Amino acid sequence: GAVVSQHPSWVICKSGTSVKIECRSLDFQATTMFWYRQFPKQSLMLMATSNEGSKATYEQGVEKDKFLINHASLTLSTLTVTSAHPEDSSFYICSAKGQPHFGPGTRLTVT
Amino acid sequence: QKEVEQNSGPLSVPEGAIASLNCTYSDRGSQSFFWYRQYSGKSPELIMFIYSNGDKEDGRFTAQLNKASQYVSLLIRDSQPSDSATYLCAVKDSNYQLIWGAGTKLIIKP
Repeated sequence: GAVVSQHPSWVICKSGTSVKIECRSLDFQATTMFWYRQFPKQSLMLMATSNEGSKATYEQGVEKDKFLINHASLTLSTLTVTSAHPEDSSFYICSAKGQPHFGPGTRLTVT
Repeated sequence: QKEVEQNSGPLSVPEGAIASLNCTYSDRGSQSFFWYRQYSGKSPELIMFIYSNGDKEDGRFTAQLNKASQYVSLLIRDSQPSDSATYLCAVKDSNYQLIWGAGTKLIIKP
């Protein structure tokens, strides 16, 4: 139980375009989800906390206008990387509050 | 600033030996402690969690917590090549925030 899925698992996009990443709770309802980013050979860094029906909370240094989060239902949170640049290339991972397991992650490469 | 410290490694251990991974944390009010294993290009997977002082065993894995000294460790007995990965320590602090260590890369040599 408590499975979190992500889509897509990997994506390549051109600089300047936007990319949407989905995080779904498959067998439970998640009122709060977390979005992490991990650069190569670095640890996980919490980007933002996604709250169903309200605004997301962003960690210091994370641009809310660049990383748009929508948590419109109890089973889906989306992260949209707007106007992506090569430095946004990273591994994006989500998890649900109260659950110890992570989604499988999304590898984003911006060319 | 609350911190979780791990030696980045790599830690090289012969197959069959005991691998010992250590983690220290700064927030004395931390309540929960987690060990994750992360293979390259994959999401971290939970191995063990511990709340109380002492040892917690699960198969070949033992988590050890010492709140007075503010460290938590993970022992892997009978190490296998498949145990080669990066091990992440995470601590839920007094504000219930999950603080991550940078991870220790473990290499099990056949």
